Amino acid sequence: EIVLTQSPATLSLSPGERATLSCRASQSVSRYLAWYQQKAGQAPRLLIYDASNRATGIPARFSGSGSGTDFTLTISSLEPEDFAVYYCQQRSTWPPLFTFGPGTKVDIK
Amino acid sequence: QVQLVESGGGVVQPGRSLRLSCAASGFTFSSYAMHWVRQAPGKGLEWVAIISYDGSNQFYADSVKGRFTISRDNSKNTLFLQTSSVRPEDTALYYCARDPVPATYCSYMDVWGKGTTVTVSS
Repeated sequence: EIVLTQSPATLSLSPGERATLSCRASQSVSRYLAWYQQKAGQAPRLLIYDASNRATGIPARFSGSGSGTDFTLTISSLEPEDFAVYYCQQRSTWPPLFTFGPGTKVDIK
Repeated sequence: QVQLVESGGGVVQPGRSLRLSCAASGFTFSSYAMHWVRQAPGKGLEWVAIISYDGSNQFYADSVKGRFTISRDNSKNTLFLQTSSVRPEDTALYYCARDPVPATYCSYMDVWGKGTTVTVSS
């Protein structure tokens, strides 16, 4: 089973600052890595798929990078609505089994 | 618009069963694989199961294998999760989600419902 580790657990930043979130896989997941945003009381929202592709309607300030075991989600300039929990997620090649990372909370400093 | 609406949650005693439903609309349900994902109170997301677009294949997380069954009725645009032998650790908000590419298994989920809550308690 592939385990995802996210760091930091909490990121305290101010609006306008740059956020850099890390996701590390216990073995290579190629580029099968997605990022989701979840606000309190809401369902997760897909941000990034296949490591670096922005989902429909996602602002350009969100970007993803990486391959293999190390991935990064970057928010170039935090907007007030970006303070939330962010999860990475991977899929194993076969069988298609999915796992999520434990999440990174981005809160207001 | 594309929409997923879960229902069927509630309070269930340990060892009993509960069937969750997810009604899909706004897209050709029968073309897409579908997932169940859960979230325990105050915790992170946990993938539960996936079913192929035609219902012929199902895959499960180890934590629910042998106890939960994912199924679908494409004529009614509805996804199901039959939970049995439930445990307190199955207490969670259960989401259904769409696998985004027709007739295959993708690597992410693009549309999510709002979830239905299952509480396992005596």
